[in-house]
Amino acid sequence: ETVMTQSPATVAVSPGERATLSCRASQSVSSNLAWYQQNPGQAPRLLIYETSSRATGIPARFSGSGSGTEFTLTISSLQSEDFAVYYCQQYNYWPLTFGQGTKVEIK
Amino acid sequence: EVQLVQSGAEVKKPGESLKISCKGSGYTFTSYWIGWVRQMPGKGLEWMGIIYPGDSNTRYSPSFQGQVTFSADKSISTAFLQWNSLKASDTAMYYCARQRAPNWFDSWGQGTLVTVSS
Repeated sequence: ETVMTQSPATVAVSPGERATLSCRASQSVSSNLAWYQQNPGQAPRLLIYETSSRATGIPARFSGSGSGTEFTLTISSLQSEDFAVYYCQQYNYWPLTFGQGTKVEIK
Repeated sequence: EVQLVQSGAEVKKPGESLKISCKGSGYTFTSYWIGWVRQMPGKGLEWMGIIYPGDSNTRYSPSFQGQVTFSADKSISTAFLQWNSLKASDTAMYYCARQRAPNWFDSWGQGTLVTVSS
């Protein structure tokens, strides 16, 4: 199984500032990586697929980068609705696997 | 508009059986995979497996193989997740989500909360 490790577990950021979230795969997953946002009490929402492609309706302040085993989600200027938990997911290997999540909280 | 609507919350006793549902609309149900994802209380997302409603082809995560069963009824655009004998450790929120191929999930149901308690 491909283990996805996200860091940090929690990050505190002030509104308007940049947040950088990391995701590491235990083996290369090429560019087959997605990011999701989950607000409290809600279902996850797709943000990014294929490492860097924004899903429909996702604002440009969300961007993804990386390849192989190291990936990054950047939120350029945090808005109030962005304080949530973020998960990465690889789909290069069965079983598909998620990271454990990074919580972005208000500083 | 693509929608996945899941059945309502369930409260069951250990050993009981359960089948929850996920109804798709706004797209061709038989052309997309439906995945199931577990989220235990206060925890992260776990991929359980997927089913292709077009031919009922299924893939299970090793962690869930033999513990649950996926099925689909094309005639009513609905996928199902079933347990034969629930355990307290099955208490969780269960999400269905759509995939164009076995890759990313582009649309999610609202979740079904399953509580198993004696």
